[in-house]
Amino acid sequence: GAVVSQHPSWVICKSGTSVKIECRSLDFQATTMFWYRQFPKQSLMLMATSNEGSKATYEQGVEKDKFLINHASLTLSTLTVTSAHPEDSSFYICSARDPSPSGANYGYTFGSGTRLTVV
Amino acid sequence: KNQVEQSPQSLIILEGKNCTLQCNYTVSPFSNLRWYKQDTGRGPVSLTIMTFSENTKSNGRYTATLDADTKQSSLHITASQLSDSASYICVVSAFQAGTALIFGKGTTLSVSS
Repeated sequence: GAVVSQHPSWVICKSGTSVKIECRSLDFQATTMFWYRQFPKQSLMLMATSNEGSKATYEQGVEKDKFLINHASLTLSTLTVTSAHPEDSSFYICSARDPSPSGANYGYTFGSGTRLTVV
Repeated sequence: KNQVEQSPQSLIILEGKNCTLQCNYTVSPFSNLRWYKQDTGRGPVSLTIMTFSENTKSNGRYTATLDADTKQSSLHITASQLSDSASYICVVSAFQAGTALIFGKGTTLSVSS
C-alpha cells in the first residue's frame, strides 16, 4: 500500500531557530500533500494544502511566513517552522493524496508525525 | 456547517471485551467516511473507508457501519486486545474543491488487562 515517510519523528530546538520537517511519498507520486497540527487530546487541524509546483494554500489563521511549505517534487513536501517559539511546540503530521485511489486508504495516507519541542 | 461528532470521548474496557464507538456527522455533500486508529505519538492509520452505498465493512476485528440516511457511523471492536488502546478518529469527506476532510475529535480507548 501507499507509504508516507515523515522525518524527523521528533526534534528539540531553541527559540528563534528554524526547523524543517520532510514528508515523502515512497511508492507513489503525490500531487497534493497536507500538513496538520495536533495538540494533546485534540484532533488534527489542517494547516495548509501543498500542491506540487505551486504555492501552498493556507488555512485561515495560519501564518504563511511562519510555516513555510515547499512541494518541489511529486514525492517531497517540506514544512519549515521559522523563528520557532515555545507555543509552536506541537505534533505535526503530513498526509499525501495518491492520485490513483487504491486499497483501503482511497488516496489519503498519513505520515508518522513529528513531535516538535521548542525550548 | 460541516461537523463530525464522536462519542464517547473516552472509554475503558477489559481485554477480551467488545466495544462500539459512535460517529455522527453533518457533512454535505457526503463523499465517504473513514475510521482511523492513532496510537500515541504516531500518525493515523486507516482502518476502514465507506462510501454512500456501503452499510458495513470489516477489517479483521474492526467492523464499521454506515447509515447515510441518519448520518451515523459506528466502529465495533471485537475481542479487544491491549494493542487496541489508541485514539479512534472518524473522518468524513465532502465533495468540494480539494475534497475537504472533516475530522472528529476522536474516542480514546483504553484496554486494560
